[in-house]
Amino acid sequence: QKEVEQDPGPLSVPEGAIVSLNCTYSNSAFQYFMWYRQYSRKGPELLMYTYSSGNKEDGRFTAQVDKSSKYISLFIRDSQPSDSATYLCAMSTFSGNTGKLIFGQGTTLQVKP
Amino acid sequence: ETGVTQTPRHLVMGMTNKKSLKCEQHLGHNAMYWYKQSAKKPLELMFVYSLEERVENNSVPSRFSPECPNSSHLFLHLHTLQPEDSALYLCASSQDLGAYEQYFGPGTRLTVT
Repeated sequence: QKEVEQDPGPLSVPEGAIVSLNCTYSNSAFQYFMWYRQYSRKGPELLMYTYSSGNKEDGRFTAQVDKSSKYISLFIRDSQPSDSATYLCAMSTFSGNTGKLIFGQGTTLQVKP
Repeated sequence: ETGVTQTPRHLVMGMTNKKSLKCEQHLGHNAMYWYKQSAKKPLELMFVYSLEERVENNSVPSRFSPECPNSSHLFLHLHTLQPEDSALYLCASSQDLGAYEQYFGPGTRLTVT
């Protein structure tokens, strides 16, 4: 079983739609949960991070963590064509200073005008 | 731009060639990473350096040899590669080892023929 599972898609939605991206994980020691966005021909960039459980909102983006279900989500409201990218979830235990990021496969999102 | 540059952006090499990938970060970070990104697979952490000292080597074949001469530069020396090594190689840096925010370069697209 992979530590982090993410549906690779692709996911295609019309402009203005609400997008839901999800990851499941198996390691209950994960405490930090990140979403990275990767545009074509670019490296990933950090979009949002959440510590432990709960919600975090930043503009049109909302990150949710449900540790009891080992499930995290990223919601994008009023999606725009500029949101078309691959979204990678990442997690870490960050025990001391030796924690490393464990990434999902990434979900490719296309927002059509 | 994220402050992390990689050269070359594209590389085609035969299985008997020797080549090197270069990464430079202009952020004053203390930790640097090499990742391999293959289609439909999670980012694979290859090597981690903290203050120029290698702290992680994730069972990477010896045909990949990293070098970190100072905290701003990271190299990946390649020799006698296999076609399955074709992938996008990403360099990243973070303020300190284990920080959740990593800054990625644009990657080197490597094709082994």
